[in-house]
Amino acid sequence: EAGVTQFPSHSVIEKGQTVTLRCDPISGHDNLYWYRRVMGKEIKFLLHFVKESKQDESGMPNNRFLAERTGGTYSTLKVQPAELEDSGVYFCASSPRLGAGNEKLFFGSGTQLSVL
Amino acid sequence: RKEVEQDPGPFNVPEGATVAFNCTYSNSASQSFFWYRQDCRKEPKLLMSVYSSGNEDGRFTAQLNRASQYISLLIRDSKLSDSATYLCVGIRYGQNFVFGPGTRLSVLP
Repeated sequence: EAGVTQFPSHSVIEKGQTVTLRCDPISGHDNLYWYRRVMGKEIKFLLHFVKESKQDESGMPNNRFLAERTGGTYSTLKVQPAELEDSGVYFCASSPRLGAGNEKLFFGSGTQLSVL
Repeated sequence: RKEVEQDPGPFNVPEGATVAFNCTYSNSASQSFFWYRQDCRKEPKLLMSVYSSGNEDGRFTAQLNRASQYISLLIRDSKLSDSATYLCVGIRYGQNFVFGPGTRLSVLP
């Protein structure tokens, strides 16, 4: 079974440019999460989709970040325009329908974003 | 105050040593807890779930104390391959997973 896949694995862009990250969750996983780890800091929650709906987007830093999950399958996270402080590793994770004993997160290998 | 707190370390221990990590959480509504392991430049991977009754998986033992809002991870007979960052994670039902900052472990030959 394929795991969570993310594309690209690395992205180097200039300040002011736009970048779009993609995540393909494990097939059948309703829950999809975006997290970010800035160097030296803890992994921070960005947002949570249940199928195509945004369940919680309280972690999104500002309106330069836009996440979508059309059709409840893959998700994209767009940063426009990118700023220096957006640099970090963006992880996507998925989990099956939440319920007793079912709360397990499966992570993608992340996208390393460098904004110069 | 952060929702999940951990001692960042680093913990430097010799091979074969026993090492324990602690984690505290502030939100009593958190229902489930996990330990994840993250190797350098890699994604976090689930190490084990944590149950109130305590659970063991080989050399690893996890414990949850809801009264004290405290979670622990014990590693016995440390191996070089145990070197990693250990993340304490909590979740409230239907909510998102909250990560602690991680504790870095280095097992030395």
